[in-house]
Amino acid sequence: KQEVTQIPAALSVPEGENLVLNCSFTDSAIYNLQWFRQDPGKGLTSLLLIQSSQREQTSGRLNASLDKSSGRSTLYIAASQPGDSATYLCAVVSGGSNYKLTFGKGTLLTVNP
Amino acid sequence: NAGVTQTPKFRVLKTGQSMTLLCAQDMNHEYMYWYRQDPGMGLRLIHYSVGEGTTAKGEVPDGYNVSRLKKQNFLLGLESAAPSQTSVYFCASSPGGGRVTEQFFGPGTRLTVL
Repeated sequence: KQEVTQIPAALSVPEGENLVLNCSFTDSAIYNLQWFRQDPGKGLTSLLLIQSSQREQTSGRLNASLDKSSGRSTLYIAASQPGDSATYLCAVVSGGSNYKLTFGKGTLLTVNP
Repeated sequence: NAGVTQTPKFRVLKTGQSMTLLCAQDMNHEYMYWYRQDPGMGLRLIHYSVGEGTTAKGEVPDGYNVSRLKKQNFLLGLESAAPSQTSVYFCASSPGGGRVTEQFFGPGTRLTVL
């Protein structure tokens, strides 16, 4: 059974700092990996999707990398801003299904002005 | 284009009552999903549908039923609510084909069962 772990559970940084969020998964036979953002009391917004054949994806100040063989992904946020404060969720598609997501429990990020 | 919408946004039930949560999407997506999100547990898949008229069990289906009579709607039913079903419920949808894994989420329904 696929398990997804995110470390740290919570992170507080000053504005402007570059930061890294970590995600690990137990079964490396994944179809893809996605990073989501969730604001308090809101739904999930997809940030980046990395196919299993890719090593990284970039969108603006966000860069996500994937090392499938070691079962790890990182989300790099450059020049963090208070508006980046949210919970970041990692999810993988695996287990012979090309659409069922397994989520980590998330990292709560606070960027202080 | 409203995306994925959920009705209601909040609800309080007493143990044993029934209710139906409605999810609607206007993106003509083939796949639809119901998740529940609990503190310390993350999001877990309850039921899903791969097309109109189809449903399938996810990770935590007990106590819930679903129906997909129309492509744009996915209903989640609680026949006899229990306090353990207190949670935030999210609906999601995704296109078929090569974009099947891009899931779009609704804003959630916060349900409390007393």
